Amino acid sequence: AQSVTQLDSQVPVFEEAPVELRCNYSSSVSVYLFWYVQYPNQGLQLLLKYLSGSTLVKGINGFEAEFNKSQTSFHLRKPSVHISDTAEYFCAVSVGGNNRKLIWGLGTSLAVNP
Amino acid sequence: NAGVTQTPKFRILKIGQSMTLQCTQDMNHNYMYWYRQDPGMGLKLIYYSVGAGITDKGEVPNGYNVSRSTTEDFPLRLELAAPSQTSVYFCASSQEITGGGETQYFGPGTRLLVL
Repeated sequence: AQSVTQLDSQVPVFEEAPVELRCNYSSSVSVYLFWYVQYPNQGLQLLLKYLSGSTLVKGINGFEAEFNKSQTSFHLRKPSVHISDTAEYFCAVSVGGNNRKLIWGLGTSLAVNP
Repeated sequence: NAGVTQTPKFRILKIGQSMTLQCTQDMNHNYMYWYRQDPGMGLKLIYYSVGAGITDKGEVPNGYNVSRSTTEDFPLRLELAAPSQTSVYFCASSQEITGGGETQYFGPGTRLLVL
């Protein structure tokens, strides 16, 4: 069965430092990959997604992610974080293009400290 | 566009009571979803719909019912509330695109407490 593992449940970081949030998935077929962000007391919104083409995907708010098929990973990065990036980040996978049942990771809580 | 709206924002129910969580989207999306989010557990799909009149079960449908009489509305019904249904409920919608990979748009959530 397909699964998504977010390797860190909590990531504390200082403002202006770089950050990487890790996501691995298991699937033997083609996948689409997503990162969503949830700010406190809000719904989720899309940060970026990989469907095909370039393995480096750029999203909103200066985030980017790299799809690595051999490592089955889709890690999220930002070179310099801001206090406003404090949020919960979710990695998700849709298998074979079937978006009706996204498989979600458990989330990574990013805490940016001054 | 308001996007996806949900009402109420917060509700306290007694065990055995029933209620309907409302969800409306104004983007003319054909797909709609209901999720629940429990602390440290990520999102679990309860029900989804691919169009008016068509609904299907997700991972955790027990204790819930849905209907989709219009494109815009996708209410979630709890018939006999139980403490295990204490959670935050999110409605989402997406528009089918060729080849898949649609973006889901989420509402702000309904926080439900069952006592």
